[in-house]
Amino acid sequence: SQTIHQWPATLVQPVGSPLSLECTVEGTSNPNLYWYRQAAGRGLQLLFYSVGIGQISSEVPQNLSASRPQDRQFILSSKKLLLSDSGFYLCAWTVSSQRRSNEQFFGPGTRLTVL
Amino acid sequence: DAKTTQPTSMDCAEGRAANLPCNHSTISGNEYVYWYRQIHSQGPQYIIHGLKNNETNEMASLIITEDRKSSTLILPHATLRDTAVYYCIVRERKLTFGQGTILTVHP
Repeated sequence: SQTIHQWPATLVQPVGSPLSLECTVEGTSNPNLYWYRQAAGRGLQLLFYSVGIGQISSEVPQNLSASRPQDRQFILSSKKLLLSDSGFYLCAWTVSSQRRSNEQFFGPGTRLTVL
Repeated sequence: DAKTTQPTSMDCAEGRAANLPCNHSTISGNEYVYWYRQIHSQGPQYIIHGLKNNETNEMASLIITEDRKSSTLILPHATLRDTAVYYCIVRERKLTFGQGTILTVHP
């Protein structure tokens, strides 16, 4: 069965420090991968998605970047964190397919607090 | 992706059916209707999806109107553990989450 991992579960970082969040998927090949952010009391916002190694699409301009160095690994990074980067970060995956009726599965999330 | 409109919050008594409405009047012919829920501090959980026909699984039923401009998620026997934010999403290729409906199931 497929499993999605995210770490760390929680993170407290000072403003201006770098960030690296990792997401890995097991049990599937060539998944589509997604990074979402949920600010306190807000809905989920799509940040990045990837359909393959090295292929990253950014949905909103921001202080963050994403990379996909391996098929089942998706990394969210920042060189200098801002207070507004605080939030709940979720990684998700779907089966890579032209079909539109694919479920999207979410990881457990990382709660980031920038002080 | 088409936009959806949901009530901000709803209440339901334990054991009763919870009917969560969603409007998606700009939906296109190729877009599916998805429902997810998010229990506090957890990642969203897939519930059900459909295109035209009504759908049912072990978690819920999805009723889509004939013109596909609205749908209703039905939790037939709500429990306290069903308290969550419920998201209705019309999807082309990627999910766009709105504010959702905060469903509170009370004893």
